[in-house]
Amino acid sequence: GIQVEQSPPDLILQEGANSTLRCNFSDSVNNLQWFHQNPWGQLINLFYIPSGTKQNGRLSATTVATERYSLLYISSSQTTDSGVYFCAVAWVSGSRLTFGEGTQLTVNP
Amino acid sequence: GAVVSQHPSRVICKSGTSVKIECRSLDFQATTMFWYRQFPKQSLMLMATSNEGSKATYEQGVEKDKFLINHASLTLSTLTVTSAHPEDSSFYICSARNLLQKNYGYTFGSGTRLTVV
Repeated sequence: GIQVEQSPPDLILQEGANSTLRCNFSDSVNNLQWFHQNPWGQLINLFYIPSGTKQNGRLSATTVATERYSLLYISSSQTTDSGVYFCAVAWVSGSRLTFGEGTQLTVNP
Repeated sequence: GAVVSQHPSRVICKSGTSVKIECRSLDFQATTMFWYRQFPKQSLMLMATSNEGSKATYEQGVEKDKFLINHASLTLSTLTVTSAHPEDSSFYICSARNLLQKNYGYTFGSGTRLTVV
């Protein structure tokens, strides 16, 4: 099956700092999503981005499908950005999502 | 829209009893739903794929007789943990996709935290 690797596993930032999270995947994908899991466990869909670049406020993401990686950028981080960020991919449209191990982000005031 | 509702959000049960978790797609029809399990400090692992009107497909190592899945309608899938034991304590999350909104991806329920005592 598809392998998904995320880095770094842990990241600690001061409020206001910028960061880049990376997701590498082992095969061509039809679906790629970035999620933020809040302290209550809810998975928030940040981006659906099988290719290209998208931006939403302080967050942006880029997926280079031909090189099998995706990047999530967080600018001017806030304490509310803390949590686990997951990258998840699917090989075929409508098929199961495979999750990476996540990046635990802590933003200190 | 693509809203998935999951209930209950938290449940504590005694060892040996059964617990049912519901997953509903509120504003779209879902012929396929997915059930995941997440242990503390770990990623989400797919347990099974729930198919409307047919049997669920279980991942390797997941006991189908212990984790009963029913997908009787296009908007409801249920996961029943039978004869629960403390090692079944975990966070269970369901997911579905609105195929009419292909640029949105998968939506997840809010999860159910199961504690077996």
